[in-house]
Formats: sequence, structure tokens, C-alpha cells
Amino acid sequence: SAVISQKPSRDICQRGTSLTIQCQVDSQVTMMFWYRQQPGQSLTLIATANQGSEATYESGFVIDKFPISRPNLTFSTLTVSNMSPEDSSIYLCSVRDKEKLFFGSGTQLSVL
Amino acid sequence: DAKTTQPPSMDCAEGRAANLPCNHSTISGNEYVYWYRQIHSQGPQYIIHGLKNNETNEMASLIITEDRKSSTLILPHATLRDTAVYYCIVRPPRTSYGKLTFGQGTILTVHP
Repeated sequence: SAVISQKPSRDICQRGTSLTIQCQVDSQVTMMFWYRQQPGQSLTLIATANQGSEATYESGFVIDKFPISRPNLTFSTLTVSNMSPEDSSIYLCSVRDKEKLFFGSGTQLSVL
Repeated sequence: DAKTTQPPSMDCAEGRAANLPCNHSTISGNEYVYWYRQIHSQGPQYIIHGLKNNETNEMASLIITEDRKSSTLILPHATLRDTAVYYCIVRPPRTSYGKLTFGQGTILTVHP
């Protein structure tokens, strides 16, 4: 099974600033996925990050707000831009291994 | 996508079997049933998945009814560490493995 490391594990940020979350996988994967989990809610897919191409965003999420980088097959970043308190959530990176998804432990973001 | 219905919460005594039901009455013939769980402050963890036949692995058993309209996840000997939110997910075959639609799940509490 894939081992996923996310950094930072948590952060407290001021509104209007940006935070970049890093996701490192211990094996090469074609696609990486970014999810958001708002307080008390279930998970929602933000985007799919493919190496060598633009990320594919789900309805309700835009690149200007959540730019994603995918420089190689083991690494991706998600930036939460111009943050507001509504962005306070857990952000999770995940990868596919055969028919299963593996998740990182998440980044808990609080925006003041 | 087929919608799933799960009870919001369940209790189970430690050492006993935990049987978590899921209704997916609109499931199509080629849609898979997946189960994930999320322990507090962690990312979701894959448990098991199946199409038509019952499945068993080291974590759990999945029983799918003959008409496929419902399924039951069985944790044969629940421990305190099995306390988590359990998600039943139906995945269409042509949907990216990374694009899972998580519902609200069932909060399973295992008590001594």
C-alpha cells in the first residue's frame, strides 16, 4: 500500500494569506487527488492532479483559488489562496493503488 | 451515481460482531460497493469492496444481497480501535477511482 506524507499537519492562518500543502508519496503514481473535509462534513473531491498536465477541477472549485502543482510522479502541492474563514477545513491528499484509494493524514487548516 | 443510505450511528460491544448496513437501491449492475472508514484525525482507510459476490479480507466481510440493493459490512470481532465513521460508497465503473462520493457515513462506537 502507498505511504503518503502530508505537510503541514495543521496550521492557523490569517485571512487573505495563502497556504501551500505538500503531498509526498513513496511510489510513483499517475494521478493524485485532493479532497476537502469541512467541519462536521464528509469529504469532497477538489481536483485530480496529473503529472505533466493541468489539474482537473470538480464543480465548485477553481484553479485561481486552489492552484495545484504536480512536478513529478511522487509529489504534489495544493495552495489555498486568499483564505477566508470558510476555507477552514481538513485537506487530504490521496492516491490510487489498483482499485483502492489511499489517503494521507490530512492538513487541518484554521483561518482566522 | 447510486445514492447510499446508512444509519447515522451504531453501537457495538467490544469483542462482538459489528454489522453495518447500507442501502443502495438504485445501484446499477456494473457499479461496485466500496467501504472506507475514517478514524478521528486520520484520513479515510480502505476496508473492502465488491461487485456481486460476498468478499472477505483480513479486516472485514462484505455481504451483498442477491438483488444488490443493500449490503452489510461485518467486523467480526470489534475492538475499541474500530470506533470510526464508516462510509459505504457506490462507484460507477467508468468513474475515476479517485472520484469517490462520500456520504455522511455511520459513526460506529465500540464500547468496553
